[in-house]
Amino acid sequence: AQKITQTQPGMFVQEKEAVTLDCTYDTSDPSYGLFWYKQPSSGEMIFLIYQGSYDQQNATEGRYSLNFQKARKSANLVISASQLGDSAMYFCAMREGNTNAGKSTFGDGTTLTVKP
Amino acid sequence: NAGVTQTPKFRILKIGQSMTLQCTQDMNHNYMYWYRQDPGMGLKLIYYSVGAGITDKGEVPNGYNVSRSTTEDFPLRLELAAPSQTSVYFCASNTGIAGNTIYFGEGSWLTVV
Repeated sequence: AQKITQTQPGMFVQEKEAVTLDCTYDTSDPSYGLFWYKQPSSGEMIFLIYQGSYDQQNATEGRYSLNFQKARKSANLVISASQLGDSAMYFCAMREGNTNAGKSTFGDGTTLTVKP
Repeated sequence: NAGVTQTPKFRILKIGQSMTLQCTQDMNHNYMYWYRQDPGMGLKLIYYSVGAGITDKGEVPNGYNVSRSTTEDFPLRLELAAPSQTSVYFCASNTGIAGNTIYFGEGSWLTVV
């Protein structure tokens, strides 16, 4: 079974509007971490935001916020005030356990296109 | 600040050839990883290492080998290259501590023809 599911292969958003990228996960480990990465067309992987399973509040980093719904096992990324430079592929990833050697499982990604 | 450096950035291999992708990090991270990313897909873990002298298989290890003789270096060896190994390869590292993100290299584009 897929451990990380991103159901939106592609998304479009108008510049300056907000967009939500979906991510659901599957784990029986009570301790886990969820990450979002951005991959522009140049190919590098850029860390955006992290949410720990025991964190009481949703993570925020500038224009990025993570809508963490633990009971539903979802960790959606919200990008506010979209910019043209936000056009990229976005990956949700999960690491199970406190360390688990730091290994992360990645979803298949969502391609976001910001329209002017 | 170099971070994670991997070479080469691009390579074309013929079927049956072998090669080594080099990876080095200067952050004194114990944990290092090799991922592959097929077109339009997410990353899949090939091998990982939790410290010098220790390596272990990830999700898709077949056709690859690794070694970790030092904390800094984690080369990935492709033996008898096959077209199915055409992919982008990412080396990464982190401290292994909960919440610590993975730091990625810039990727190596490998084509096997």
